[in-house]
Amino acid sequence: DSGVTQTPKHLITATGQRVTLRCSPRSGDLSVYWYQQSLDQGLQFLIQYYNGEERAKGNILERFSAQQFPDLHSELNLSSLELGDSALYFCASSPRTGGDEQYFGPGTRLTVT
Amino acid sequence: GQQLNQSPQSMFIQEGEDVSMNCTSSSIFNTWLWYKQDPGEGPVLLIALYKAGELTSNGRLTAQFGITRKDSFLNISASIPSDVGIYFCAGLLRSGTYKYIFGTGTRLKVLA
Repeated sequence: DSGVTQTPKHLITATGQRVTLRCSPRSGDLSVYWYQQSLDQGLQFLIQYYNGEERAKGNILERFSAQQFPDLHSELNLSSLELGDSALYFCASSPRTGGDEQYFGPGTRLTVT
Repeated sequence: GQQLNQSPQSMFIQEGEDVSMNCTSSSIFNTWLWYKQDPGEGPVLLIALYKAGELTSNGRLTAQFGITRKDSFLNISASIPSDVGIYFCAGLLRSGTYKYIFGTGTRLKVLA
C-alpha cells in the first residue's frame, strides 16, 4: 500500500459525459501528479500540482482539467468524453515539487462507451 | 507523447535466471527511477538513482545510472515467479520545470 488513495476504482460512462476522478496523496506529500495509461501502453504524464498550484503540464487535453485543494487532495476532471479516453488514470504523490521519487495510487479505470 | 526507449519489450525466462533490461534516451536526465507494475495495479517504486554512475541495489534488484546520463539498467538476479509483471523506467527531465518521462515497459514472464 503506497498510501495514495484514488476513487472511484472503476467508472463507466457514455461519450460526451463529464467525470471527476479523486486522489488523496500520502500524508505529508505536497505534490500530486496525474497520468494516463491506455491499454498495454506506458504512462503519459498529464499534469502536476504542488501545494495547490499547477507546476508542470504534460500531454493534457484541453477537455481535461485538474486542481489541488487546500487539504492537498486533487481532482482530475474529464469532459466531453470520447471513446479514446478509456484508460487507467493514475495519481502519484511526492514530498516536494520535483526531483524525487513518486508513489502511485491504485488507479481509476475509466471506460467510455 | 515523449517516451523513453526500453528494451527488451518482453521476455520469458526460467525461474532462477538473471534478467537484464535497459532504458535509453537522447536526453540527459537528472534522476532515473525503476517501477514494477502488476496487472490492474499502480506502479510500485523499486529503485531511485540520483547520480551518474550510481549503482544501487534493493534485494535481488540492482540498477545503474549511466555515465552519459542518457541511460539506465536494471538487473534482477535469481528470478522467482512473483517477479512477473511490467517494469518501467522513468527519467526526470529538468527543462524549466520538472517532467517525468516513462519508458515503454518491459513485460517479464517467469516460467517455473
